[in-house]
Amino acid sequence: EVQLVESGGGLVQPGGSLRLSCAASGFTFNYAWMSWVRQPPGKGLEWVGRIRREADGGTADHASPVKGRFTISRDDSQNMLYLQMNSLRTEDTAVYYCVTDGYEVISSGFDYWGQGALVTVSS
Amino acid sequence: QSVLTQPPSASGTPGQRVVISCSGSGSNIGRDYVYWYQQLPGTAPRLLIYKNNERPSGVPDRFSGSKSGSSASLAISGLRTEDEADYYCAAWDVSLNGYVFGRGTNVAVL
Repeated sequence: EVQLVESGGGLVQPGGSLRLSCAASGFTFNYAWMSWVRQPPGKGLEWVGRIRREADGGTADHASPVKGRFTISRDDSQNMLYLQMNSLRTEDTAVYYCVTDGYEVISSGFDYWGQGALVTVSS
Repeated sequence: QSVLTQPPSASGTPGQRVVISCSGSGSNIGRDYVYWYQQLPGTAPRLLIYKNNERPSGVPDRFSGSKSGSSASLAISGLRTEDEADYYCAAWDVSLNGYVFGRGTNVAVL
């Protein structure tokens, strides 16, 4: 069974930093492209960014609202995905989901989702 | 303002057919696949449709997707109370170099 478990969420002041972790199990993590998707309270979904598998270069793309502030990384030896968030703003307040990105078949979308981690940016 | 446009709400009675539209442009839906996600109240979203009209295993065939040009739609046939949820369309946008979502459509079963 595929499991994605996010951790590291919490309350942080504007301008602060936080790192989210996602523990993956039940599938071959190093085969997977991975993404982060966020959802502000009561609002819709927003893609944060993705990271390719090492075989495809292991590079990351980040959405414009977070570019230069957020960094996605992975540790395939530990089956872990990370989201380093710096210079946080109140508008970054959201539930952050760890998702697989086209794992089952090419272009299959965000196949599997974690339960989400709440990040609250407030003074 | 979302790049993909969806109606905020839709409704139907049990057994009816409901169709949700998703309008984009030539840089997203017109160029790439459309995906649909279902989010039940208080839960994480789940993949409902991929590559315009494919269903992952476990998704009932009451759900179907289609695409024409820069627009797409999700149809729910034989509407059930458990279909009450928010539905989001998504696509890769080549101009933004990222995935874009619609704002979501809340489906109510009357």
